[in-house]
Amino acid sequence: DGGITQSPKYLFRKEGQNVTLSCEQNLNHDAMYWYRQDPGQGLRLIYYSQIVNDFQKGDIAEGYSVSREKKESFPLTVTSAQKNPTAFYLCASRHLVGSNSPLHFGNGTRLTVT
Amino acid sequence: KQEVTQIPAALSVPEGENLVLNCSFTDSAIYNLQWFRQDPGKGLTSLLLIQSSQREQTSGRLNASLDKSSGRSTLYIAASQPGDSATYLCAGNTGNQFYFGTGTSLTVIP
Repeated sequence: DGGITQSPKYLFRKEGQNVTLSCEQNLNHDAMYWYRQDPGQGLRLIYYSQIVNDFQKGDIAEGYSVSREKKESFPLTVTSAQKNPTAFYLCASRHLVGSNSPLHFGNGTRLTVT
Repeated sequence: KQEVTQIPAALSVPEGENLVLNCSFTDSAIYNLQWFRQDPGKGLTSLLLIQSSQREQTSGRLNASLDKSSGRSTLYIAASQPGDSATYLCAGNTGNQFYFGTGTSLTVIP
């Protein structure tokens, strides 16, 4: 079955450590996105990528980094520079940006930093 | 910047009741509006997408409408069931980005 796989489901890290969240899709989608979800707030865009080896900052990119070396993969690194990293992280994808294709989501990774 | 608002934040209804969830957006220049369902601790599941040229979309017991001129969309759920209990989010697509509301938490009481 086609879909978006995020791993791990839960992640625990000590403050000051970098951590990488995985996102893989087998939907042959061009565009991939990373969102952060906090209680009482809407989803906020961290980074997005329209094609391989290219990505753009979203509204809250500070303290995060991404790469897009393969069409199906879009890992997110939460660096020690991110001041409040504890959150629920969601990866999404869709066909060509600007089209009317729907956004599809993975099941998320809950990151807890202590 | 597009701002999306969903009211009410929470809603509780008895099983079998028809209900309407509201979504309003500030910028009418949207390509489409998408409705999602989110169960606790899970990702978002796409329910319906309405293109800017459309006024309605239907899927089973769900019907979504879009009025760009007034900046509003509604999600109508007919004959609600306990399994419909979840958080419902709407998102407006302005091209490269989607802007999300904070969601309406729906509880359907058996």
